[in-house]
Amino acid sequence: DIVMTQSPDSLAVSLGERATINCKSSQSVLYSSNNNNFLAWYQQKPGQPPKLLINWASTRESGVPDRFSGSGSGTDFTLTISSLQAEDVAVYYCQQYYRTPLTFGQGTKVEIK
Amino acid sequence: QVQLVQSGAEVKKPGSSVKVSCRASGGSFSTYAISWVRQAPGQGLEYMGGIIPMFNIANYEQKFQGRVTITADDSTGTGYMELSSLRSEDTAMYYCARGTGERTAFDIWGQGTMVTVSS
Repeated sequence: DIVMTQSPDSLAVSLGERATINCKSSQSVLYSSNNNNFLAWYQQKPGQPPKLLINWASTRESGVPDRFSGSGSGTDFTLTISSLQAEDVAVYYCQQYYRTPLTFGQGTKVEIK
Repeated sequence: QVQLVQSGAEVKKPGSSVKVSCRASGGSFSTYAISWVRQAPGQGLEYMGGIIPMFNIANYEQKFQGRVTITADDSTGTGYMELSSLRSEDTAMYYCARGTGERTAFDIWGQGTMVTVSS
């Protein structure tokens, strides 16, 4: 199985400041034939199912604010919230869908400082 | 807009089985992948397996092999996840989620079904 490891486990950021979450996969999730990274980011608020924010490592879903961005390739990826808003308080998960089983990171809890 | 509507909460005895349903409303069903993800209280997301109804072939996370059965009824647009030999560690929220293919992100999620295993 591909193991996904996120860092940090939690972070507290002031409103309007940048939040950065890292995700590392135990093997590459880059499909060389089309140069796509099979990596997604989800946001989960308390009492709600996860919501897809970004897939293919850097493509924002429709309706997702542009303060959310994804970057990286191969085994190392980053989710950045450029200016943290109160409504961004949540747990964020990365997921690889390069190979079944489709594994998730352990989650990163983002709070307001 | 497609929605996934799951069956209601369940309370089960250890050693019994539970079957959770996930009905797709408002869109196509058979050509998409339906996966199942569970989340124990206060814990992270755990992939259990998935199926593409059109092909009717399921794949399972090895941890659940032999205990979980994932099926789909294309005629009703409903997916099912049955977990047997339940134990207290299976107490969790169970989600179904849609992917546009076997190896794609999950763009639509059900609301979740809480399964509690308790004697």
